[in-house]
Amino acid sequence: AQSVTQLGSHVSVSEGALVLLRCNYSSSVPPYLFWYVQYPNQGLQLLLKYTTGATLVKGINGFEAEFKKSETSFHLTKPSAHMSDAAEYFCAVSDQTGAGNMLTFGGGTRLMVKP
Amino acid sequence: DAGVIQSPRHEVTEMGQEVTLRCKPISGHDYLFWYRQTMMRGLELLIYFNNNVPIDDSGMPEDRFSAKMPNASFSTLKIQPSEPRDSAVYFCASSHTPRGTGYTFGSGTRLTVV
Repeated sequence: AQSVTQLGSHVSVSEGALVLLRCNYSSSVPPYLFWYVQYPNQGLQLLLKYTTGATLVKGINGFEAEFKKSETSFHLTKPSAHMSDAAEYFCAVSDQTGAGNMLTFGGGTRLMVKP
Repeated sequence: DAGVIQSPRHEVTEMGQEVTLRCKPISGHDYLFWYRQTMMRGLELLIYFNNNVPIDDSGMPEDRFSAKMPNASFSTLKIQPSEPRDSAVYFCASSHTPRGTGYTFGSGTRLTVV
């Protein structure tokens, strides 16, 4: 069975600082990996995804994530945090051999950006 | 594309009343998911449909909860009778095969049961 672990339910950074949100997964086969962002009072929206090919994936709003098979990780980064990045971020994994088009979500990380 | 449309956006009801939440998935999507989000339990999958057929309802908390998908463009989640502990944000999401496409979420319905 696949699973996702997001280290740190809350992360606080200063505006302009590096953002690093950690995600580790377990899967018996090469997975598809996703990051979603949820702004206050909104639904989850896709930030970026990895399926195949290049392991460094770029998403919206300057975010990127790198798939590292050896570390079973898919950490999300942004070089310089902006106040508007304050939100909750969810990592998710899709097992290619699983039945149906199913995502397993991590518990989420709330990012706070200090002025 | 208007995205996944949920209604109402907010619902306040009294304990014991019936509540119906509605969802219109993206046209062409063959999977539909209902999630519940609370501070205590986070994001929980309640039920999902494939081609209008319920596939897994193991996340439905109690018999008070039921979900239907009468056609490809409409689904409902009903709570009868509602209780204060049902207060949460309920999300609908849709997706389509092949795998790797991800989900598109609606804006959610914030339910408050008083």
